[in-house]
Amino acid sequence: LAKTTQPISMDSYEGQEVNITCSHNNIATNDYITWYQQFPSQGPRFIIQGYKTKVTNEVASLFIPADRKSSTLSLPRVSLSDTAVYYCLVVDTGGFKTIFGAGTRLFVKA
Amino acid sequence: GAVVSQHPSRVICKSGTSVKIECRSLDFQATTMFWYRQFPKQSLMLMATSNEGSKATYEQGVEKDKFLINHASLTLSTLTVTSAHPEDSSFYICSANRGEGAYEKLFFGSGTQLSVL
Repeated sequence: LAKTTQPISMDSYEGQEVNITCSHNNIATNDYITWYQQFPSQGPRFIIQGYKTKVTNEVASLFIPADRKSSTLSLPRVSLSDTAVYYCLVVDTGGFKTIFGAGTRLFVKA
Repeated sequence: GAVVSQHPSRVICKSGTSVKIECRSLDFQATTMFWYRQFPKQSLMLMATSNEGSKATYEQGVEKDKFLINHASLTLSTLTVTSAHPEDSSFYICSANRGEGAYEKLFFGSGTQLSVL
């Protein structure tokens, strides 16, 4: 299983763009990169998933370089409600066993 | 999007009693569900993989006789904490996988806060 490494915490201000980078040096060919958001006392919520290059949806963008050994979650114009823990996961589409890393605690200030 | 329902959201019990937590996939069938536990300000720790119609696969260090998992149907998995003790107090979360074409996604329940007195 690919191990992921993320910054433990990040601070930002409302309206700024936030980029959280995740390292996954041992990613395998069949692995997808998925990001989740978790608020206190809630289950994680799916944000975005990708395999390579760039993926964008209504809430975020995901940038994955050609070697796929890292990925960057980009949150445009964050608000106070984006304060949460963000987890980068490498998901094996075959086995599905998902191991969570430590996550990044994002704190958005007014 | 897909919905995974988890009940109860909070339970308080006396030491020595058993507690059952249900995890349901409401709008899709899930052959595989996962159970996690999470302590305050820590990440989720995978406890076991629940497979419909077969025995669960437990992670190293998780007592299978303590945490009984039953996956009786394609939409329901249950976790029973047997003879609960205060050290079992934690936040328990389930997830279910849903295949969507080339992508596979995990959807999570809202979690169950267990407090053992």
